[in-house]
Amino acid sequence: GENVEQHPSTLSVQEGDSAVIKCTYSDSASNYFPWYKQELGKRPQLIIDIRSNVGEKKDQRIAVTLNKTAKHFSLHITETQPEDSAVYFCAVDNFNKFYFGSGTKLNVKP
Amino acid sequence: DTGVSQDPRHKITKRGQNVTFRCDPISEHNRLYWYRQTLGQGPEFLTYFQNEAQLEKSRLLSDRFSAERPKGSFSTLEIQRTEQGDSAMYLCASSLVRDPTSLGYSYEQYFGPGTRLTVT
Repeated sequence: GENVEQHPSTLSVQEGDSAVIKCTYSDSASNYFPWYKQELGKRPQLIIDIRSNVGEKKDQRIAVTLNKTAKHFSLHITETQPEDSAVYFCAVDNFNKFYFGSGTKLNVKP
Repeated sequence: DTGVSQDPRHKITKRGQNVTFRCDPISEHNRLYWYRQTLGQGPEFLTYFQNEAQLEKSRLLSDRFSAERPKGSFSTLEIQRTEQGDSAMYLCASSLVRDPTSLGYSYEQYFGPGTRLTVT
């Protein structure tokens, strides 16, 4: 199987600052790495993803980087806003089974 | 609403009772996943279907859990003889796999709102 570790578990930033969340995985065969945002009481929502043949992907204020050699990937949120406050989960697809990190609770202070 | 739907949204049951949850995926989505999520944790893979075929079950999944997708559309998850440790949010997700033979290619998953199970 796959072992996914996510850090930090909580992150508090000032509005306008950047936030970075990191995940590591164990199986080099894993090839797809989505990130989900989950607001309290709501379903996880896909916010960005990256495949193993790409090193970086950006969508407006959100970016993801992947280091296949080191087996880690990171979520970067720039110019954070209070509405970015939520729990963020990384996930790893290992032969069509998705393994999730334990989540990062992001708090953006106005 | 054309997203993934789940029913019921909440279920309270007594220990030892059986419960069944339903998931309706996005129309024409051919892959369907079940997950369990406990407070403060990420979703934990339970099982998945490609059309009506159940392709994999988690080794952690007790024999008390069974899932079906008889016509390749909606799916049901049944838990027999519920235990307090079964209390969790049960999430369903679906995706459209354009080439099922391409085992190495991954597809975006879209989650349902979940069924929150409380076993008393």
